[in-house]
Amino acid sequence: AQSVTQLGSHVSVSEGALVLLRCNYSSSVPPYLFWYVQYPNQGLQLLLKYTSAATLVKGINGFEAEFKKSETSFHLTKPSAHMSDAAEYFCAVRDSTSGTYKYIFGTGTRLKVLA
Amino acid sequence: NAGVMQNPRHLVRRRGQEARLRCSPMKGHSHVYWYRQLPEEGLKFMVYLQKENIIDESGMPKERFSAEFPKEGPSILRIQQVVRGDSAAYFCASSPPGLAGYEQFFGPGTRLTVL
Repeated sequence: AQSVTQLGSHVSVSEGALVLLRCNYSSSVPPYLFWYVQYPNQGLQLLLKYTSAATLVKGINGFEAEFKKSETSFHLTKPSAHMSDAAEYFCAVRDSTSGTYKYIFGTGTRLKVLA
Repeated sequence: NAGVMQNPRHLVRRRGQEARLRCSPMKGHSHVYWYRQLPEEGLKFMVYLQKENIIDESGMPKERFSAEFPKEGPSILRIQQVVRGDSAAYFCASSPPGLAGYEQFFGPGTRLTVL
């Protein structure tokens, strides 16, 4: 079965500091991976996606993620945090084994940006 | 092209009442997914539908919950005899048919509160 694990339910960084949010996946087939951001009481916004092309994926708002097969990781980074980055971030893998292509989400990481 | 629409955005019900959540997929999308987000948790898959067919309902509670996606009109998630534990955000996502359907587009969600 496919799954994702997000290490750290809460992460705090200072404004201007590096943001690193961790995601590890488990998959018996080449995975399709996604990062979403959710602001309070809002829906999900796609940040970026990995679909087996380039291993370094650039997304919106200065975020990027690197797919590392050897480490089964897809960590999200941003060189310099901004106050507006404070939100909850979800990593997801598309289920490619059941034929339904449903998404399996991690439990989320809440990012706090300190002034 | 309008995004995925969900209504109502907020719904309050008393225990024992029925809740009906509506989802209008993006134009041209024939696949609809429903996910539930309990407080402080990630999204969990509930059901996957195509027009007039339920493809995968493995994530749906066995009782009180049902979903449909008729030939005409929005997809409906119906919860009968709601209980406090049903309080959550319910998200709908849609995707186009065919090989391009690996990405799901999420609606803003319906936040259900059961009193």
